[in-house]
Amino acid sequence: DAGITQSPRHKVTETGTPVTLRCHQTENHRYMYWYRQDPGHGLRLIHYSYGVKDTDKGEVSDGYSVSRSKTEDFLLTLESATSSQTSVYFCATLMTSGTEQYFGPGTRLTVT
Amino acid sequence: GESVGLHLPTLSVQEGDNSIINCAYSNSASDYFIWYKQESGKGPQFIIDIRSNMDKRQGQRVTVLLNKTVKHLSLQIAATQPGDSAVYFCAENAGANSKLTFGKGITLSVRP
Repeated sequence: DAGITQSPRHKVTETGTPVTLRCHQTENHRYMYWYRQDPGHGLRLIHYSYGVKDTDKGEVSDGYSVSRSKTEDFLLTLESATSSQTSVYFCATLMTSGTEQYFGPGTRLTVT
Repeated sequence: GESVGLHLPTLSVQEGDNSIINCAYSNSASDYFIWYKQESGKGPQFIIDIRSNMDKRQGQRVTVLLNKTVKHLSLQIAATQPGDSAVYFCAENAGANSKLTFGKGITLSVRP
């Protein structure tokens, strides 16, 4: 599982509040990804990182920002949470020479 | 836009039978395909992958077939077991930084 942990695992927050989700890996993988999973949509890429301080947008990046100040941590921030951001969020990592993305256990976020 | 999709949302099979899960993709530039398995409450787990220069690849009890002519991918599971019950996703990689596009998922239910 590439030593991936996500925190928190569950969170309930109110509309308009900021939320930060954390992904931590212990395998020194270069690439890290944030996905959201919703019924009927499968997994959709939000943002990804290809190195420390190197990030780019994915398919559904509006309303989200990310930061990667060190190899092991990739943070996903919802500046002002909305109900449409209620979802399950997965982090994934990939080694430099690899092809298989390893996924974390997920964070269930509910915005009320 | 480009997308990965699945033909059927659910599949029910008898324990011991073979399962076939199908996937259609639309991006002819995709050069790498993966099947993931996701059990309830967990992150997706890699099953098997295949590159576009191959048409078949076998693993332990699983086989992936790729037909580039009709842009079709399938996952075959031999002697399906109760532990195979899960949601299965196909994913394709057509871009830089190993970004994946996922299908919506299909639920495999194994009848005892």
